[in-house]
Amino acid sequence: SYVLTQPPSVSVAPGQTARITCGGNNIGSKSVHWYQQKPGQAPVLVVYDDSDRPSGIPERFSGSNSGNTATLTISRVEAGDEADYYCQVWDSSSDHYVFGTGTKVTVL
Amino acid sequence: EVQLVQSGAEVKKPGESLKISCKGSGYSFTSYWIGWVRQMPGKGLEWMGIIYPGDSDTRYSPSFQGQVTISADKSISTAYLQWSSLKASDTAMYYCVRLVGAGNYFDYWGQGTLVTVSS
Repeated sequence: SYVLTQPPSVSVAPGQTARITCGGNNIGSKSVHWYQQKPGQAPVLVVYDDSDRPSGIPERFSGSNSGNTATLTISRVEAGDEADYYCQVWDSSSDHYVFGTGTKVTVL
Repeated sequence: EVQLVQSGAEVKKPGESLKISCKGSGYSFTSYWIGWVRQMPGKGLEWMGIIYPGDSDTRYSPSFQGQVTISADKSISTAYLQWSSLKASDTAMYYCVRLVGAGNYFDYWGQGTLVTVSS
């Protein structure tokens, strides 16, 4: 089965840039989606199709995808961005949906 | 406004059965796949399966095939997740999600249903 690997944690100072990676075999050939989950809340879609943002999501959230790594970038990090972030793809070979292992973003 | 509203928290004993629900509103319920996602305490997200309420076509993750049953009643715009015999390891938060088929991502999430299985 297809595996998506994320770093367990990323720490960033307010105003700086956080980059969260999502590694998978030839992930650049797939569409990658990202979800933000704050403590005690349901996840929220923040980026879809590698780099598109749903309405209401700040431009500070952006995504890229190439080779074996997809990246979610949060610019000008704010305290409110502290959350767990998950990547997700659809594996066409199995027709299954796969989530990454999750990354906890801590704002220092 | 699109909404997925789930049934309330449940506390059950091992071996008991359970059916939790997810009611969709604000969109054509029969036109979108509905999925279920598990989150065990302190852990990540796991896709369990999906159903197309229009014709009840259902797909399961291999990890959950045979362990749960996903169903839907399109007449009341409600999807279900059920267990015939709960185990302590089924203790988790369960989210229903709406799937955007063209892009294969989940654009709306229910608020979650906490299931606790304990003797």
